[in-house]
Amino acid sequence: DAKTTQPNSMESNEEEPVHLPCNHSTISGTDYIHWYRQLPSQGPEYVIHGLTSNVNNRMASLAIAEDRKSSTLILHRATLRDAAVYYCIRSGNTGKLIFGQGTTLQVKP
Amino acid sequence: NAGVTQTPKFRILKIGQSMTLQCTQDMNHNYMYWYRQDPGMGLKLIYYSVGAGITDKGEVPNGYNVSRSTTEDFPLRLELAAPSQTSVYFCASSPNNRGKEAGYTFGSGTRLTVV
Repeated sequence: DAKTTQPNSMESNEEEPVHLPCNHSTISGTDYIHWYRQLPSQGPEYVIHGLTSNVNNRMASLAIAEDRKSSTLILHRATLRDAAVYYCIRSGNTGKLIFGQGTTLQVKP
Repeated sequence: NAGVTQTPKFRILKIGQSMTLQCTQDMNHNYMYWYRQDPGMGLKLIYYSVGAGITDKGEVPNGYNVSRSTTEDFPLRLELAAPSQTSVYFCASSPNNRGKEAGYTFGSGTRLTVV
């Protein structure tokens, strides 16, 4: 279960869009791409996941590259409550989620 | 909606003591997982289960044991607690593998300190 590559940290201004990148160059055809976030002193929270097509839900959008070697989580309008650690994870055949270090997102007012 | 419930929320153990961390889910999920998170780090998988009676090791299983006698419950047992097991423990569940449906649901965690 190879991990993904994310920047350690990113900053955003409140009310602006945020694009969180993730590289998963060794992804296989059946691996899903998951995004979770973890607010301080809380358990991880599911954000979004996808396989090949771009996905949208009430929290965010997931843009998956055509070759599936990278993806981007898009928060359309960042709020202070979006400040968290964001994890990009591949789920392999076993379905286990192996977490990496994630990206710490700071949102400035 | 209770989701995934973990007890206790906090616990202090002395070196060599044992304890069981409880995890219960009410979503009828087949898959359950135990993770630990050390300060400033990501989560590491300890054990997981794909259904009642079936368990398997994750990345860091040493010093822990699990059992899965029912769909709902997935307790984590620490035998002979060591300071290296000081961590926050998260239990999670999911309906199936490969993430075809909704993702994992996590509990709120158990903060364990071994002194």
